Amino acid sequence: EAGVTQSPTHLIKTRGQQATLRCSPISGHTSVYWYQQALGLGLQFLLWYDEGEERNRGNFPPRFSGRQFPNYSSELNVNALELEDSALYLCASSLSNSNQPQHFGDGTRLSIL
Amino acid sequence: AQSVTQLGSHVSVSEGALVLLRCNYSSSVPPYLFWYVQYPNQGLQLLLKYTSAATLVKGINGFEAEFKKSETSFHLTKPSAHMSDAAEYFCAVSDPTGFQKLVFGTGTRLLVSP
Repeated sequence: EAGVTQSPTHLIKTRGQQATLRCSPISGHTSVYWYQQALGLGLQFLLWYDEGEERNRGNFPPRFSGRQFPNYSSELNVNALELEDSALYLCASSLSNSNQPQHFGDGTRLSIL
Repeated sequence: AQSVTQLGSHVSVSEGALVLLRCNYSSSVPPYLFWYVQYPNQGLQLLLKYTSAATLVKGINGFEAEFKKSETSFHLTKPSAHMSDAAEYFCAVSDPTGFQKLVFGTGTRLLVSP
């Protein structure tokens, strides 16, 4: 069974640019989650999508946004990039039930120059 | 609000020694609890989960954890450390009645010496 796949592996941008990160969940999983792992800040919840709808959002500014497609894959968009957006962005997927664990991809490392 | 505290940012053990990584949680409702491991340049791998069934949970790679409600703890143990266990370990809590986000601890880096 293929796991959660994320692309690209690395992404280098400059301040003010826009970044798009992609995630394909495990087959059969309808929920997709995004987390930011920044140096010194730990793992922070960003967004949760289920059945194409945004279900919950973490404490991040509106320039962090995303969507989930009919095939349950997801995009995370970050606009007006700032230096502090440099981080590893992890995507996870799960079945919809709340007791189902989240399975993570290997992440996209976003570097802002 | 939920939170997780992992005592000790670094834990060092010798190969073959007992591994004990500590996790205490705070939750207003009976929580779901998880342990994940992260190897360098990789994502998180689920080690084990507690979702209100048996309080002693066995996971992969010989790890286990015990949910102790009275102590609000969910410590991770392994009887005998291997060199391959060297990694960063994260404890996480979620609210089963809420929005399914995971709240992570700050992580514990396990160092294993020969």
